[in-house]
Amino acid sequence: GAGVSQSPSNKVTEKGKDVELRCDPISGHTALYWYRQSLGQGLEFLIYFQGNSAPDKSGLPSDRFSAERTGGSVSTLTIQRTQQEDSAVYLCASTTRGGHGYTFGSGTRLTVV
Amino acid sequence: AQSVTQLGSHVSVSEGALVLLRCNYSSSVPPYLFWYVQYPNQGLQLLLKYTTGATLVKGINGFEAEFKKSETSFHLTKPSAHMSDAAEYFCAVTLRDFGNEKLTFGTGTRLTIIP
Repeated sequence: GAGVSQSPSNKVTEKGKDVELRCDPISGHTALYWYRQSLGQGLEFLIYFQGNSAPDKSGLPSDRFSAERTGGSVSTLTIQRTQQEDSAVYLCASTTRGGHGYTFGSGTRLTVV
Repeated sequence: AQSVTQLGSHVSVSEGALVLLRCNYSSSVPPYLFWYVQYPNQGLQLLLKYTTGATLVKGINGFEAEFKKSETSFHLTKPSAHMSDAAEYFCAVTLRDFGNEKLTFGTGTRLTIIP
């Protein structure tokens, strides 16, 4: 597609429920990144995919967080047993090899109540 | 490892005045450097980037930044502020390392324009 697409744009969930956030990168972009933006925390790196592999998942905050990417395209970030501290905007970005052009999606705003 | 430091979490300038947002980086290898802008309730938009070549980089909306290796800086400037420039600005760095290209962001600077 023309841009990075994220869905849903907003998600309200009850504490303890699982959620799935989706990212559809720009066609042909081999690298895909997930970031979290919380109030007062800035932009926090979560995980990075090159193709379907995740060379760097060092930013995932706990084992409740996981992500996968299939077909070198769509990625899903899953948060299990959500907690209130998971409330944030989750941003996805994609780029071509070499880091010349990171394009961000509009994000998914997750609210855990 | 790489990092960026943005001096000043909040900057206020008068409309028509110079905008200067500061960014200093730390990197063990030659970096790629970026400035992003975020308007309220929107995603990040790339303003400009430095990869190789000319150290003065021009971006969108009249912004520019200069890569100064000796000062490890990449400050963002605009000669004359406009009300529409009010937003949050993020400096970011990544390494010229094809094995690990994640962007590391600064904590952001919120720019307010005074009429």
